[in-house]
Amino acid sequence: DVKVTQSSRYLVKRTGEKVFLECVQDMDHENMFWYRQDPGLGLRLIYFSYDVKMKEKGDIPEGYSVSREKKERFSLILESASTNQTSMYLCASSLDIGGARVEAFFGQGTRLTVV
Amino acid sequence: RKEVEQDPGPFNVPEGATVAFNCTYSNSASQSFFWYRQDCRKEPKLLMSVYSSGNEDGRFTAQLNRASQYISLLIRDSKLSDSATYLCVVTSLYNTDKLIFGTGTRLQVFP
Repeated sequence: DVKVTQSSRYLVKRTGEKVFLECVQDMDHENMFWYRQDPGLGLRLIYFSYDVKMKEKGDIPEGYSVSREKKERFSLILESASTNQTSMYLCASSLDIGGARVEAFFGQGTRLTVV
Repeated sequence: RKEVEQDPGPFNVPEGATVAFNCTYSNSASQSFFWYRQDCRKEPKLLMSVYSSGNEDGRFTAQLNRASQYISLLIRDSKLSDSATYLCVVTSLYNTDKLIFGTGTRLQVFP
């Protein structure tokens, strides 16, 4: 079974803190993604990466950065956490076969609260 | 206009009912289409891909209408365990690695 593991299920951080969300996948997938999910807004893509050290902005990258130093690990960084970044964060990975889209596998999510 | 739009529901149906959801997408050149299912407080999981010719998996049928730019999901003989949020997903025209999610349609099946 493909496994995507996020480092924390629940996090509470203070405004202004630097926050790291870690994601690890064990299936040698090229593509990895970070989404946030909010009621009424659905899943919105923050950043994605299609290879080590490669990244592309998604729809809402402001206030976030990412790091992919190893193929299996994709980190989301909140440079200075703010209350409007309180959300559910979901990491996903997928295999890239010649550009054809295949199934994305999600981690269990991290519910981040910024106070 | 949102790239992917769904009726949020909820759709409340009795066990055994047939229920259908539609999802419209704005980009006529979108290439790939999927339905994902998300249970309460869980991560989304792929339910089925949607092929041009339509496809069926047990009680679930997915169809694509490119001319009208929508995809549909039909669930026959609904079970209590079908209660979930169903997410419509398309790939971006400009980057086929990028998945665009709808906000989801909530289904509640009651006894």
